[in-house]
Amino acid sequence: DAKTTQPPSMDCAEGRAANLPCNHSTISGNEYVYWYRQIHSQGPQYIIHGLKNNETNEMASLIITEDRKSSTLILPHATLRDTAVYYCIVRTQKLVFGQGTRLTINP
Amino acid sequence: DTAVSQTPKYLVTQMGNDKSIKCEQNLGHDTMYWYKQDSKKFLKIMFSYNNKELIINETVPNRFSPKSPDKAHLNLHINSLELGDSAVYFCASSHGWDRYNSPLHFGNGTRLTVT
Repeated sequence: DAKTTQPPSMDCAEGRAANLPCNHSTISGNEYVYWYRQIHSQGPQYIIHGLKNNETNEMASLIITEDRKSSTLILPHATLRDTAVYYCIVRTQKLVFGQGTRLTINP
Repeated sequence: DTAVSQTPKYLVTQMGNDKSIKCEQNLGHDTMYWYKQDSKKFLKIMFSYNNKELIINETVPNRFSPKSPDKAHLNLHINSLELGDSAVYFCASSHGWDRYNSPLHFGNGTRLTVT
């Protein structure tokens, strides 16, 4: 019952910005958009979250459209260590993971 | 200074055995979770506890029994282990199960292999 849609895979060149899209057209007014990533079989790592304003932290930027139906995670200068599965999640009482986007950073 | 720690990291056991996985968090959170990631890499929530009280139980078999002795600990006991229980189990914690503004922080997982 994931409420988001993401491309299954993406590639990005090392040093370039990686832009990961996510659609969440059924998001409700009080639900936050979260991004996590999972590197190999490690625990999911929290990246960033937002409600309606754009957010930035030391890892990434999150751009949420004005109608909140979609968002983009931006990794400004991708490195090889950013290769992972990235999950876009609409947070309710449960954090429900979808299939995510497998991002591969190429040298 | 690990925030969410799980033990053991690896667990290999035979069918029919009973085993436990322990989880501890030092973040001062009051809500803890168990997730299961199967061989197809789907991450699914199993349980959630808030202040030692069970609030989410995702139709998990009765063989799985979570126990929360205090807010900082959530253990998972599994009876009569089956082959299908082989998976990676992740513990997580957050501030308040109904605080949508609170990120979950995950441990590094326990890889359970049932032979």
